[in-house]
Amino acid sequence: EDQVTQSPEALRLQEGESSSLNCSYTVSGLRGLFWYRQDPGKGPEFLFTLYSAGEEKEKERLKATLTKKESFLHITAPKPEDSATYLCAVKRVGGGSEKLVFGKGTKLTVNP
Amino acid sequence: GAVVSQHPSRVICKSGTSVKIECRSLDFQATTMFWYRQFPKKSLMLMATSNEGSKATYEQGVEKDKFLINHASLTLSTLTVTSAHPEDSSFYICSARDSQRGSYEQYFGPGTRLTVT
Repeated sequence: EDQVTQSPEALRLQEGESSSLNCSYTVSGLRGLFWYRQDPGKGPEFLFTLYSAGEEKEKERLKATLTKKESFLHITAPKPEDSATYLCAVKRVGGGSEKLVFGKGTKLTVNP
Repeated sequence: GAVVSQHPSRVICKSGTSVKIECRSLDFQATTMFWYRQFPKKSLMLMATSNEGSKATYEQGVEKDKFLINHASLTLSTLTVTSAHPEDSSFYICSARDSQRGSYEQYFGPGTRLTVT
């Protein structure tokens, strides 16, 4: 069974304090790994798709990386507006379904 | 690009009534849409996969007769909560996959807050 585990569950940072969020996954053949950002009371916002080990994607202060077992979302010099819950999801190869398997998320709080 | 809308954003209904929620992909075609439910401080729970022109695929434990899904066009899927009860109160979010892209990322709507009194 496909599994996605995110850690930590919650993370508090001071503004400017860089850190990383972890997403460990178990899937029989990875089609893609996805990162989303979700603000309270809103739908998730798509950030990145990673397809193969070694791949990296960047957007402003965020950088996502991928290995064969996990993905990291690196946040460089975060600002209070980066506070949100970050979700990781995977899509397996085949399986006859297009659904994604989501982790429980990491709630990030950046204090000014 | 890749914008998904939901309507209404909030709805309050009385127990026993039915509520319809619309999900639209505004700038792309979506043969596949998804309906999720999210409880406070919890992650997304997939309810069903909606396929244009065919029956939806429901996840285990989701009552198909209670949560009716219709995907009549490439840009519109609807979720109808029938005979709603207070325990159906939740945040419902839809997502859509761009049919013309080879990737599997889903684009989410802003969500609908349902309160059943």
